[in-house]
Amino acid sequence: QLQLQESGPGLVKASETLSLTCTVAGDFITRSDSYWGWIRQPPGKGLEWIGNVYYSGSTSYNPSLKSRVTLSVDTPKNHFSLKLNSVTAADTAVYYCARQGYHDYYDSRGYYSAKWFDTWGQGTLVTVSS
Amino acid sequence: SSELAQDPAVSVALGQTVRITCQGDSLNYASWYQQKPGQAPVLLIYDKNNRPSGIPDRFSGSRSGNTASLTITGTQAEDEADYYCYSRDTTGDHWVFGGGTKLTVL
Repeated sequence: QLQLQESGPGLVKASETLSLTCTVAGDFITRSDSYWGWIRQPPGKGLEWIGNVYYSGSTSYNPSLKSRVTLSVDTPKNHFSLKLNSVTAADTAVYYCARQGYHDYYDSRGYYSAKWFDTWGQGTLVTVSS
Repeated sequence: SSELAQDPAVSVALGQTVRITCQGDSLNYASWYQQKPGQAPVLLIYDKNNRPSGIPDRFSGSRSGNTASLTITGTQAEDEADYYCYSRDTTGDHWVFGGGTKLTVL
């Protein structure tokens, strides 16, 4: 059974870099049908997709965070990581890692997809202090 | 701010049917998540109205035009939670979460 676990500092100083790791257990991070994603949730607010990484290292990012985010994958260690630089109080949130499944379609309407996050870590609260 | 519009709050009487909507693009398939306080989100619906193992069949998904819907038939007290959609935004540029709908069961 696939399980994900976030780890990293719970407190980061403003202007510094937030670094988190998600350890994948129960399956291989190299499975071809999966992307590995990060999602965050500020206290009392909704979910925000941060970005995804494929085992090959290919990445996609939320445009609003793209200039500050780096995702990477370590296949021998079966984990993937998030770095968010120049943090401010607005980056205080619970950070989740998750597995993303997908299904691509092509028909007369063109290319389209279904994407979903089916397995989530428990989440880790990261507080940015001033 | 989210580019997928969801009603912030919806209420339903116990045992009744409720529909939660999400306005996104008209082509890609949305997925739906339930989140209870202090817990990680749980996938309810994905792809063409598929439910993961363990999700009750009272949860179903549908789509009409650019509106995706999550329907709960015979709502239970334990369904009181926040619900989020995830889909491609109306510009078609990227995938985002909706702003969330807080469901109250009366």
